[in-house]
Amino acid sequence: GIQVEQSPPDLILQEGANSTLRCNFSDSVNNLQWFHQNPWGQLINLFYIPSGTKQNGRLSATTVATERYSLLYISSSQTTDSGVYFCAVLYSGNTPLVFGKGTRLSVIA
Amino acid sequence: DTAVSQTPKYLVTQMGNDKSIKCEQNLGHDTMYWYKQDSKKFLKIMFSYNNKELIINETVPNRFSPKSPDKAHLNLHINSLELGDSAVYFCASRGNSPLHFGNGTRLTVT
Repeated sequence: GIQVEQSPPDLILQEGANSTLRCNFSDSVNNLQWFHQNPWGQLINLFYIPSGTKQNGRLSATTVATERYSLLYISSSQTTDSGVYFCAVLYSGNTPLVFGKGTRLSVIA
Repeated sequence: DTAVSQTPKYLVTQMGNDKSIKCEQNLGHDTMYWYKQDSKKFLKIMFSYNNKELIINETVPNRFSPKSPDKAHLNLHINSLELGDSAVYFCASRGNSPLHFGNGTRLTVT
């Protein structure tokens, strides 16, 4: 089946720093989403991005489908950015999204 | 006006019991899912339902059974609970749009 790999697995940042999270996937995908799981366990949809670049405040994402990767940029990180960031890909049709193992981010003041 | 709601939020029970988790979505989505998140935070698909028909069942023990009374609901029934079933279970739904998750049910089997 399709493989989704995220890096780095863990990341510690000083508040105010920038970071880039990466997601590689093994096959062509119809769509890709980035999620943030906050410390309370909620899974929040950040981006729905099969290709191209999107921005939402301090966060932006870029997917290069032809090269099978996506990047999530976090600028001027805040402690509230802490949590686990998941990349998930949709292979085709009504198949379920396949998740990577996540990047655990800790932002310290 | 919660989009995907699941109940209960916490469930503590003993081995051998039977329990259910309910899920409802008000987004008009055609497809609903159950995911299991283990202690290492890995999210694994358990079931998906499209228009009330099971379309994928990912090698989940038959003690787990999804039941969908209508397009807006997908409940999860678990029989003869085992210690290894302890996890967080997430319901989700999708149309031609992003996947939306419920807030999860933390199941603890003692």
